[in-house]
Parts: sequence; structure tokens; C-alpha cells
Amino acid sequence: NAGVTQTPKFRVLKTGQSMTLLCAQDMNHEYMYWYRQDPGMGLRLIHYSVGEGTTAKGEVPDGYNVSRLKKQNFLLGLESAAPSQTSVYFCASTSGYTYNEQFFGPGTRLTVL
Amino acid sequence: ILNVEQSPQSLHVQEGDSTNFTCSFPSSNFYALHWYRWETAKSPEALFVMTLNGDEKKKGRISATLNTKEGYSYLYIKGSQPEDSATYLCAFFNAGGTSYGKLTFGQGTILTVHP
Repeated sequence: NAGVTQTPKFRVLKTGQSMTLLCAQDMNHEYMYWYRQDPGMGLRLIHYSVGEGTTAKGEVPDGYNVSRLKKQNFLLGLESAAPSQTSVYFCASTSGYTYNEQFFGPGTRLTVL
Repeated sequence: ILNVEQSPQSLHVQEGDSTNFTCSFPSSNFYALHWYRWETAKSPEALFVMTLNGDEKKKGRISATLNTKEGYSYLYIKGSQPEDSATYLCAFFNAGGTSYGKLTFGQGTILTVHP
């Protein structure tokens, strides 16, 4: 039981390049989330999904797209990376969004030059 | 945008000291309050999920209380140890319309316990 995994762990991009971050969970969770963590800003929600085939915007969605084609996977895409997207990205999942804890992946450190 | 405030922002204590910090959140449409511990270079891990006014939860030397009417929760650590050094995050789930399905996190309290 791997829990929540993220691929890749580190990445360096040049401005304007694109990439996709993959989050996978093996706990059969319905709800999945993408957060970014910046110094002094805590965790900010980018996009989230309340089930396979559904996505919704969070607090800071601009410049990102997401897809949830399979229940276990939640992809975060950057179409044209900008230096402002340099951050640590965390994925999380939960079985029930109200009373159940979120389980976090190990994070992806992204640097955009 | 919901406002979740944590205080203090950082705290330095000596090994053996007891300490506490605060999470403030909107008191309307309350559903749940989460506490997470986040050690450096690791992922956040859940400590407690609290749902009822007056709730008290305990895990070892760490405990938490909840007051939903006034919109605050306290986290207490008794006899702090160096391994308690971490960022402690609270997160609020609100039952109101546009907040469906998502937690709002505070900025965290950074605790450093000196040997």
C-alpha cells in the first residue's frame, strides 16, 4: 500500500515549457487535491476533484489545468511555465472531505528559470 | 475567501516546556477543523479531525480543543521534545456553497524545541 505518490520529485523548467505532474493514490479515495506551498504562504489549493471525471478550481488556479480520467490518478498540467510557478507542489487525497483526514504525497519541487 | 489565522507564527521553547498555539476560523457554517503536523522535508500528516463544539482530542503528549461558537481551536503540547519540532497546520472545512469539498489552511505555527 503505497498511499499517495507523486511523479516527478524534482524538475527544472525553462520559462514557456510545459509539463505534467502525476499524483496517484491506491486507497480508493474519491477526493483529490493539488496544493502549492510557498514560503510564508502555507498551503494554497490549486484545483481539486470530488470524483472521477470531475474537477474544480481552488484558490490559485490560473496557469494550471487538471484532469481526473481515472479515480486513482490526478494530473496537474502547466501549459507555459512561468517563474512565479516555482514552488513545491503537494497532492492529497481523502475518502470523505468533511470528517476524514487528507493524506499527502511527498511533494514535487519545481523550479522555473 | 475564508480566513484561517494561526498564532503565533513561530515559537521557540526549551525541551520539557509545555506550549500551546491557536487557530481561529469563521464560526458560521462550521463542519470540521483539522490539525496537521508537518516536519521539514516531509509531507503533512494528520493529528486530529474535530467536528463538535467542546471536542477534545488527545494523541500522546499532544491534545486539542475546539470552540465552534467563537471560532477557535487550541493545540497543546505537554513536555515538548526536540522531535516535536515541526510546522503545525490547522485547516477548516466550511459547509457553505462555494467551499464544497475543500479545506482552507492556515499559514501554520513553526515550533522549534531546543534540547
